[in-house]
Amino acid sequence: QTVVTQEPSFSVSPGGTVTLTCALSSGSVSTSYYPSWYQQTPGQAPRTLIYSTNTRSSGVPDRFSGSILGNKAALTITGAQADDESDYYCVLYMGSGIWVFGGGTKLTVL
Amino acid sequence: QVQLQESGPGLVKPSQTLSLTCTVSGGSISSGGYYWSWIRQHPGKGLEWIGYIYYSGSTYYNPSLKSRVTISVDTSKNQFSLKLSSVTAADTAVYYCARKGYSYASDFDYWGQGTLVTVSS
Repeated sequence: QTVVTQEPSFSVSPGGTVTLTCALSSGSVSTSYYPSWYQQTPGQAPRTLIYSTNTRSSGVPDRFSGSILGNKAALTITGAQADDESDYYCVLYMGSGIWVFGGGTKLTVL
Repeated sequence: QVQLQESGPGLVKPSQTLSLTCTVSGGSISSGGYYWSWIRQHPGKGLEWIGYIYYSGSTYYNPSLKSRVTISVDTSKNQFSLKLSSVTAADTAVYYCARKGYSYASDFDYWGQGTLVTVSS
């Protein structure tokens, strides 16, 4: 089965910019995988940040953006804030009605 | 405002069947336009898509779980359910139900709060 890979952890300074990525164990991520990004804080259900590569969910600040960078899906946070410290998950559409989540990235803001 | 709420036993014995129900309020499953999903999260780990169902009964499952999973829908009660058979400790997780738009270009936009299911004798 295809594995979706994310950086296990990342650190960013307040006000800084960070790009998290979402890769396939085999092949390149494209818009045809309809990548979405979710933010999860401890004890809470995930909430959507970005879907269909680069569409921001309602109410999500514009400092969150999605894109395809090279052969990966990417989530960029510009001007990181303390409350961005969370776990971030991507999910990709594999075809045949099947979705696969990445392992998640734990983002630290310090 | 759509709300989803999981319910079911918090403790299941090994080899038995895990059964959970998700009750939807603020919207009708039978209206169509959405897939009704189950997603789980092992303690301290990432998210795992289990599968989803359309109001018509069409289902799609994670291949790694397909042999043990059944998702069903009861439109009269505005509920959908998960059954996972032959459970082991590896099935201990928080189980979420979630709604996803019918289009590939849509997200899991509403989630339940999640329910912890522990598999232990």
